[in-house]
Amino acid sequence: NAGVTQTPKFRVLKTGQSMTLLCAQDMNHEYMYWYRQDPGMGLRLIHYSVGEGTTAKGEVPDGYNVSRLKKQNFLLGLESAAPSQTSVYFCASDMDRNTGELFFGEGSRLTVL
Amino acid sequence: SQQGEEDPQALSIQEGENATMNCSYKTSINNLQWYRQNSGRGLVHLILIRSNEREKHSGRLRVTLDTSKKSSSLLITASRAADTASYFCATDARGTSGSRLTFGEGTQLTVNP
Repeated sequence: NAGVTQTPKFRVLKTGQSMTLLCAQDMNHEYMYWYRQDPGMGLRLIHYSVGEGTTAKGEVPDGYNVSRLKKQNFLLGLESAAPSQTSVYFCASDMDRNTGELFFGEGSRLTVL
Repeated sequence: SQQGEEDPQALSIQEGENATMNCSYKTSINNLQWYRQNSGRGLVHLILIRSNEREKHSGRLRVTLDTSKKSSSLLITASRAADTASYFCATDARGTSGSRLTFGEGTQLTVNP
């Protein structure tokens, strides 16, 4: 049982390039989230999804797009990367609104030059 | 904006000592959760305390919640070197569409052998 898997784990981009981060979970969770973690800022919610085919904006959505075409996958896209998007990105998922426990992936470290 | 703020930002103790970390938040919550993050890894859920609970235990962890002061504390008893990690509190401002956890900036705990 892999849990939450993120790919790639590391990526270096040049300003203006595009890329997609993939998150896959095998726990049949309804809800999935993308966070970014920056030094001194904690984790900030970028986008989230409450089910297949749905997405919603979080606290810092600008510059990112997401898609949830399949229940198990949540994709985070950067159309035109900027140095301010250099960060560690975490995907998370949960199933039960009553328990609220999030399961996190191991993170994807993105550097934009 | 960060809902939770941890205090202290960093804590260094000797093995066997107790470690106490505090979290303050600003708005009403449904529950408060504590997570642990080892260096370079994803976050792992430790414990959840609901707004109608005042204290909860899990192994060497003790969490208290004071909703009148909008604060929580995490106590790790008989600390071990393996407890070295960052600890985050997260508050659940759950609305009608899934979990919307807001994380604090974390406390970096170092347990010296």
